[in-house]
Amino acid sequence: NAGVTQTPKFQVLKTGQSMTLQCAQDMNHEYMSWYRQDPGMGLRLIHYSVGAGITDQGEVPNGYNVSRSTTEDFPLRLLSAAPSQTSVYFCASSYPGGTQYFGPGTRLLVL
Amino acid sequence: DAKTTQPPSMDCAEGRAANLPCNHSTISGNEYVYWYRQIHSQGPQYIIHGLKNNETNEMASLIITEDRKSSTLILPHATLRDTAVYYCIVRPRGRVDSNYQLIWGAGTKLIIKP
Repeated sequence: NAGVTQTPKFQVLKTGQSMTLQCAQDMNHEYMSWYRQDPGMGLRLIHYSVGAGITDQGEVPNGYNVSRSTTEDFPLRLLSAAPSQTSVYFCASSYPGGTQYFGPGTRLLVL
Repeated sequence: DAKTTQPPSMDCAEGRAANLPCNHSTISGNEYVYWYRQIHSQGPQYIIHGLKNNETNEMASLIITEDRKSSTLILPHATLRDTAVYYCIVRPRGRVDSNYQLIWGAGTKLIIKP
């Protein structure tokens, strides 16, 4: 199993650009989520999904959209990038109530 | 949800046991103590969790005090590869979405020295 994979590893955007961060898992986990981590801080939940077609907002959802059309994939869309969205983004998956498995992260710099 | 308090940093000599403390004085009876670690900005990695009893697995041991107000993660023979940020988190039991109520603090930066 590849576990949780994320692409790209690094990205530089200009303010106002849009992009999609990809996340995929091959463990047949129902639950998936996106977090951001700013320097020296813990993780903050952006959005999560408890199954295909079901998503909900986390602590810091503004400026981000998600959709879940399949069990395996959970992309995160930045609609109009801002410098405040410079961060490291982690995707995670789990069974309901189970331990989360995290991807390797995407490092995003918005100029 | 209960919050945790951890020292911001600790050192440990290679080959010695690393003991990482965590205070969770407001923990309730239906909350687990979970430990994760994050090596050099990689994704967090699950280590161990417990409710009341001490737990051990191939990575570490978890000692929870009888009153459950604090716990200690023990890495029995620390290696340089154990240098990481260690997060202690309390997590509600019995809720399938409980991962999404977690409060991730700044953790303890553990540095293993040769």
